Amino acid sequence: EAGVTQFPSHSVIEKGQTVTLRCDPISGHDNLYWYRRVMGKEIKFLLHFVKESKQDESGMPNNRFLAERTGGTYSTLKVQPAELEDSGVYFCASSQVAGLNYGYTFGSGTRLTVV
Amino acid sequence: AQSVTQLGSHVSVSEGALVLLRCNYSSSVPPYLFWYVQYPNQGLQLLLKYTTGATLVKGINGFEAEFKKSETSFHLTKPSAHMSDAAEYFCAVSESNAGNMLTFGGGTRLMVKP
Repeated sequence: EAGVTQFPSHSVIEKGQTVTLRCDPISGHDNLYWYRRVMGKEIKFLLHFVKESKQDESGMPNNRFLAERTGGTYSTLKVQPAELEDSGVYFCASSQVAGLNYGYTFGSGTRLTVV
Repeated sequence: AQSVTQLGSHVSVSEGALVLLRCNYSSSVPPYLFWYVQYPNQGLQLLLKYTTGATLVKGINGFEAEFKKSETSFHLTKPSAHMSDAAEYFCAVSESNAGNMLTFGGGTRLMVKP
């Protein structure tokens, strides 16, 4: 079975530009999560989708970040306009069943650098 | 609110030596506890988890961790380090009644010397 796929793996953009990150979860996984690790900090939760609905978006830092999951398959995370402090690694994860006792599978991440 | 502290951002051991990576957590309700590993250019891989039951949990690649409620700890150990264990390790907690959000520690980079 294919794992969680994220692309691009790396992105370098200038401050003020827009970037869209994509995550393809494992097929059949209704639950999709976004996390990010800003340089030197902890990995932090951003949001959780169940199918196409946002179950929990309490970790989204501000309204420059927009996450979508049209049709309940892949998800995109758009940053517009990007700021320097948005640099970091953005991870996506998916799970078939909600509830952490079942665990979930992470992708390799997208390393975003804003210059 | 839950939190995780990993003592030591970098740990260096010799090949064959004991690996001990420390994790302390705070949680207002019974926690679920996890260790993840990230090898270079790869995603986070689940090493092991504690949800309920036996407090000593065994994971992949010879790692194990013990949940100690009285010490609010979940330290990760491996009796004998291998060069292939060099990676970054993350401890994480979730409150058992709080849905699906993981709270991570800052990570510990393990270096293994020949």
